[in-house]
Amino acid sequence: AQSVTQPDIHITVSEGASLELRCNYSYGATPYLFWYVQSPGQGLQLLLKYFSGDTLVQGIKGFEAEFKRSQSSFNLRKPSVHWSDAAEYFCAVGGDAGKSTFGDGTTLTVKP
Amino acid sequence: GAGVSQTPSNKVTEKGKYVELRCDPISGHTALYWYRQSLGQGPEFLIYFQGTGAADDSGLPNDRFFAVRPEGSVSTLKIQRTERGDSAVYLCASSPGTSGYNEQFFGPGTRLTVL
Repeated sequence: AQSVTQPDIHITVSEGASLELRCNYSYGATPYLFWYVQSPGQGLQLLLKYFSGDTLVQGIKGFEAEFKRSQSSFNLRKPSVHWSDAAEYFCAVGGDAGKSTFGDGTTLTVKP
Repeated sequence: GAGVSQTPSNKVTEKGKYVELRCDPISGHTALYWYRQSLGQGPEFLIYFQGTGAADDSGLPNDRFFAVRPEGSVSTLKIQRTERGDSAVYLCASSPGTSGYNEQFFGPGTRLTVL
């Protein structure tokens, strides 16, 4: 069965600092991997996705993620965080027929 | 260019009552998914439709939960004899297809509170 682990429940970074959110997955085949962001009262918005090819994926809002098969990881990064990035972030693995399995999320707080 | 919409945005009901949650997907999207998000957790898959038929309802927690999509567009999630444990945000997503790489577009959710 597929699963996703986001080890960090809550992360606080200063505005302008770099960010890395961790994601580990378990999946039998080559995974389809996604990162979503959820702001209060909003639906999930896709930041980026990985299917195949280049293991470094660029997304919206300056985010990127790197797929590392050997570590079963798909960590999300941003070189300089903005206050508007404060939100909850979810990593997901896409399975059969698009049924996604999500991690429990990481809440990002940005200090001024 | 409307996105996925869900109504109501909030629903408060009493234990034992029946509720219906509605999802309007993006026009032309053939796949529609329902997820449930409990406090402090990620979304959990409930059921998905390809067209009008429920292709996989393996995530529905029990037979009190049922969903329909009679014309292949709008979907309704129905919960009978609600319990306090049903309190959660119910998310709907639509997609142009059901392949694992298809992006799912999420609605804002319906927050259900069972008193």
